[in-house]
Amino acid sequence: DAMVIQNPRYQVTQFGKPVTLSCSQTLNHNVMYWYQQKSSQAPKLLFHYYDKDFNNEADTPDNFQSRRPNTSFCFLDIRSPGLGDAAMYLCATSRDLARDHQPQHFGDGTRLSIL
Amino acid sequence: GEDVEQSLFLSVREGDSSVINCTYTDSSSTYLYWYKQEPGAGLQLLTYIFSNMDMKQDQRLTVLLNKKDKHLSLRIADTQTGDSAIYFCAESITGGGNKLTFGTGTQLKVEL
Repeated sequence: DAMVIQNPRYQVTQFGKPVTLSCSQTLNHNVMYWYQQKSSQAPKLLFHYYDKDFNNEADTPDNFQSRRPNTSFCFLDIRSPGLGDAAMYLCATSRDLARDHQPQHFGDGTRLSIL
Repeated sequence: GEDVEQSLFLSVREGDSSVINCTYTDSSSTYLYWYKQEPGAGLQLLTYIFSNMDMKQDQRLTVLLNKKDKHLSLRIADTQTGDSAIYFCAESITGGGNKLTFGTGTQLKVEL
């Protein structure tokens, strides 16, 4: 019973060709997060949505954008992928933001390869 | 600043206990989490501890928190081959908007 679903599991794109990764959730959580995880590294937060409010991390490149058309879906758009953007991209959700215990629940990730 | 560190590798024999350690630097941590990541998969929340607790037990998992030394550990009793994975500790900071700072991850290998 997957609650945070990422599609596709594997994505291959060409250098410079825009790509969109998808995340959906059945938890009705307010917050959705996107992380980038490179090989043998910890996940790195790119941005998050609190409801419709978008919050970008200071060091997230402009090449990365996100859209959240409704509560259930969130998209990660990479406008011009470079070789350095090859990574696993993880989506996570939480009910709220730190008012009390708000664990983040992760999807299985999309592994992005750049040719 | 926030910094969370873990040892990179741990190898144990099946049936033994595993202890994965984590140190953190920010004293205003609210919750500390343990996540498990199997190859090619996302992060699975295993357990967590609130920073005013010393210990939490959940079936085969025991979390110990030494707040004075800023040291967190995860003990897995009767380790099985299915426990082979990367284990990340993570902290969330009071007033940090639920942002998680992850450790570097510990690769646990369980040998027969």
